Amino acid sequence: AQKITQTQPGMFVQEKEAVTLDCTYDTSDPSYGLFWYKQPSSGEMIFLIYQGSYDQQNATEGRYSLNFQKARKSANLVISASQLGDSAMYFCAMNRRGSQGNLIFGKGTKLSVKP
Amino acid sequence: GAGVSQSPRYKVAKRGQDVALRCDPISGHVSLFWYQQALGQGPEFLTYFQNEAQLDKSGLPSDRFFAERPEGSVSTLKIQRTQQEDSAVYLCASSLEGFNQPQHFGDGTRLSIL
Repeated sequence: AQKITQTQPGMFVQEKEAVTLDCTYDTSDPSYGLFWYKQPSSGEMIFLIYQGSYDQQNATEGRYSLNFQKARKSANLVISASQLGDSAMYFCAMNRRGSQGNLIFGKGTKLSVKP
Repeated sequence: GAGVSQSPRYKVAKRGQDVALRCDPISGHVSLFWYQQALGQGPEFLTYFQNEAQLDKSGLPSDRFFAERPEGSVSTLKIQRTQQEDSAVYLCASSLEGFNQPQHFGDGTRLSIL
């Protein structure tokens, strides 16, 4: 069975510093996708970044990058130059080829950015 | 707007009542998903549509839950004879076809059963 584990219930970071949010996953499928979403207190889920299991390069999107270590089954999100607006819940999720594409989510990490 | 639209934003119902939650996906998105998010948890998959076909309903918690997408666009999630444990945020997401396509979520419907 597939599983996503996010071990950090809450994280604090100083404004303008970088922060890493941890995500490990468990799957026996060779082909899968990993996603990170941001959920502010207002409730909407915002897509941040995607990494495919066969992608050779780590994904980057602006201030977001994904530290993908396939052998360790980890897909950590790195946010550079944190901003106050980055304060939110962050969810790691995965799906697998051959499924309908439905996502399996972790329990999330609450990030608080301090001024 | 061009995003996924869900209505109502909030719904309060008495135990035993039926409720209907609406989702209007992004135009052109073939895939539509419903998720349930309990307080303090990540979303959990309920059901999936490809166009008008419901291809996976394995996540629906009971036969009180029913979803449809009759014309392959707007979808409705219906909960009959609501129970207190149905209280949650119901999220709808849509995407282009393909397992590597990101799902774009609506703001959700917060359902409270009294």
